[in-house]
Amino acid sequence: DQQVKQNSPSLSVQEGRISILNCDYTNSMFDYFLWYKKYPAEGPTFLISISSIKDKNEDGRFTVFLNKSAKHLSLHIVPSQPGDSAVYFCAASAPRGGADGLTFGKGTHLIIQP
Amino acid sequence: DGGITQSPKYLFRKEGQNVTLSCEQNLNHDAMYWYRQDPGQGLRLIYYSQIVNDFQKGDIAEGYSVSREKKESFPLTVTSAQKNPTAFYLCATKTQGTRQPQHFGDGTRLSIL
Repeated sequence: DQQVKQNSPSLSVQEGRISILNCDYTNSMFDYFLWYKKYPAEGPTFLISISSIKDKNEDGRFTVFLNKSAKHLSLHIVPSQPGDSAVYFCAASAPRGGADGLTFGKGTHLIIQP
Repeated sequence: DGGITQSPKYLFRKEGQNVTLSCEQNLNHDAMYWYRQDPGQGLRLIYYSQIVNDFQKGDIAEGYSVSREKKESFPLTVTSAQKNPTAFYLCATKTQGTRQPQHFGDGTRLSIL
C-alpha cells in the first residue's frame, strides 16, 4: 500500500522552461512534506519542504505547492537548468513520537534537454 | 569538515554472514535513521533513534539490528535472517524538533555473493 505516489517515472523538459513534478499521498496524518534530489550512488540532497499549515513555499528557483484537500503536492523548478537533471523524491512525515521517519515516493527522473 | 560519513562505500559479503554498516556524524544531531533503497523504488525506513541508548523499528526492521551507544554513531547490522539484503543503504540525521529536514550520507551499497 503506497502512501506516497509519484506517478511519472520520468519527465523531460527543455532547458530554460518550467519543470513540474507531482506527488500524491493518501495518509491524512502526514503534516510535513519534503522534496529531495538524488544523483546515482549518492545520498539524497534536501531541496525544499512545506508544512501542512501552508499551501506554498518558495526558495529561489524552487517552489512547492500543497493542496491538502486533493492530497497533492508539486515542485516547480523555473527556469530549469542542466544541473537539475536527477531523480527527485517526494517524502512525507507523520509524527512517530517526535522522530518523524519519512515515507518516500518512488521518484521521478527529471531530464533537462539543451 | 562537518557531515555524515557512511563506510564503506561498497561492501560484499557471503550469504549467511552478518555484516555491519557504519554511520558517523559530527553535526551534533539527536535523531538518526537508516533507510534502504532498491532499484526503481523509494527509500524505506528500517530503524531510527531519537537519543542515545534508544531506538525504534521502522517499516522494514525484520532481519536488521542497530545500536546507539554514542550520539555520533548509529551502526546497522544486516543479519543472516534478512532474506534480500542486497540494496543501497542510507543513513540520515536530523536536528531536534518536528518539521525539520533529514540530511543523508552518501550510502553503502551492499552486495551478497
